[in-house]
Amino acid sequence: DAGVTQSPTHLIKTRGQHVTLRCSPISGHKSVSWYQQVLGQGPQFIFQYYEKEERGRGNFPDRFSARQFPNYSSELNVNALLLGDSALYLCASSSGPGQSNEKLFFGSGTQLSVL
Amino acid sequence: LAKTTQPISMDSYEGQEVNITCSHNNIATNDYITWYQQFPSQGPRFIIQGYKTKVTNEVASLFIPADRKSSTLSLPRVSLSDTAVYYCLVVPTGGGNKLTFGTGTQLKVEL
Repeated sequence: DAGVTQSPTHLIKTRGQHVTLRCSPISGHKSVSWYQQVLGQGPQFIFQYYEKEERGRGNFPDRFSARQFPNYSSELNVNALLLGDSALYLCASSSGPGQSNEKLFFGSGTQLSVL
Repeated sequence: LAKTTQPISMDSYEGQEVNITCSHNNIATNDYITWYQQFPSQGPRFIIQGYKTKVTNEVASLFIPADRKSSTLSLPRVSLSDTAVYYCLVVPTGGGNKLTFGTGTQLKVEL
């Protein structure tokens, strides 16, 4: 079975541009969450979607948005890119809405570089 | 949200047992303790999770004392491939998908 897949794997953009990152969860998983990981730090929570509804949002500006499609795949959009948005963007899927004993499965991420 | 504190780095040699201790003094009654492993340029990978006492799986053991204010991840007989960052997380009710990662412990295993 395929794990969590993310595309693209690498992306280079310039300041002010827009970017769309894509994620396909593990088959049967209905929850997708997004994380940003800056070099040398742990991942930071951005969004969670379950059954196509937003269930949580981290401390990120409105330039960040996301959505989940009927097939449970998800997109993360970032507008007006800043240099500080350069990071590894991780997608994680799980079967449920977010019980404390749930296990998250992460993809390998999209490495975004903003020049 | 309970804050976690763990060593920034640890060094070990192949074949040794490694114990990484994490403190979480403000853990709440229904919180779970979860550990993830991360290799460079990859997403974190679930290792083990527990609520109290001891949990063991094919990869590691997790020891949680009765007061639950700390936990210890034990990796038996480490190898070079265990070199990675290990994150200790306290997961509250409903927070299973909104994980709060710290900076983790960088474990380096040498020959």
